[in-house]
Amino acid sequence: EAQVTQNPRYLITVTGKKLTVTCSQNMNHEYMSWYRQDPGLGLRQIYYSMNVEVTDKGDVPEGYKVSRKEKRNFPLILESPSPNQTSLYFCASSFSQGGSTDTQYFGPGTRLTVL
Amino acid sequence: AQKITQTQPGMFVQEKEAVTLDCTYDTSDQSYGLFWYKQPSSGEMIFLIYQGSYDEQNATEGRYSLNFQKARKSANLVISASQLGDSAMYFCAMRENSGNQFYFGTGTSLTVIP
Repeated sequence: EAQVTQNPRYLITVTGKKLTVTCSQNMNHEYMSWYRQDPGLGLRQIYYSMNVEVTDKGDVPEGYKVSRKEKRNFPLILESPSPNQTSLYFCASSFSQGGSTDTQYFGPGTRLTVL
Repeated sequence: AQKITQTQPGMFVQEKEAVTLDCTYDTSDQSYGLFWYKQPSSGEMIFLIYQGSYDEQNATEGRYSLNFQKARKSANLVISASQLGDSAMYFCAMRENSGNQFYFGTGTSLTVIP
């Protein structure tokens, strides 16, 4: 089954404790992306990657790191989480060859709470 | 300036009626793609419909159609014959072909009333 998986689905942590949210896709997509969703603000792009070893900042990259060592995986790293990073996080992927191939497919989301 | 604007935080529609969810966008690119997603209360993001800036016809997917007015920079989603299962949050999004970012609106919460 074609899908984007994220782990964990739910995470409660404390300020300053490094964490990683994993994302994996099995569709051979070049483009992968991380978003955060906050009430009233919609989805905002954190980082995206056009292919292996190619990453770039979205609109809200502060406090986050990513890496793309393999095509299928795109982990999101919070080196020192803070309460303002409490949010719902989505990973997404697409072929990104223009037109409708840009349609992104989303993972199920990770609800993160930073105390 | 906001790239995507959805001005209706909440909408109500009677079951079996049609409803239009508004979306305007801001870009100087000639080539771009517009997308609508549905987010039910369970939280997942479901792709609904795509419109390319060069597509001359409005996109349709079953009960969903996209009313694309390029000169007005609007890409409204029309849902015909609303069903109770259409109650959800709806997001409009855009990708400019000159860049690699995706931009989402703040969403519209649709409630279908029996």
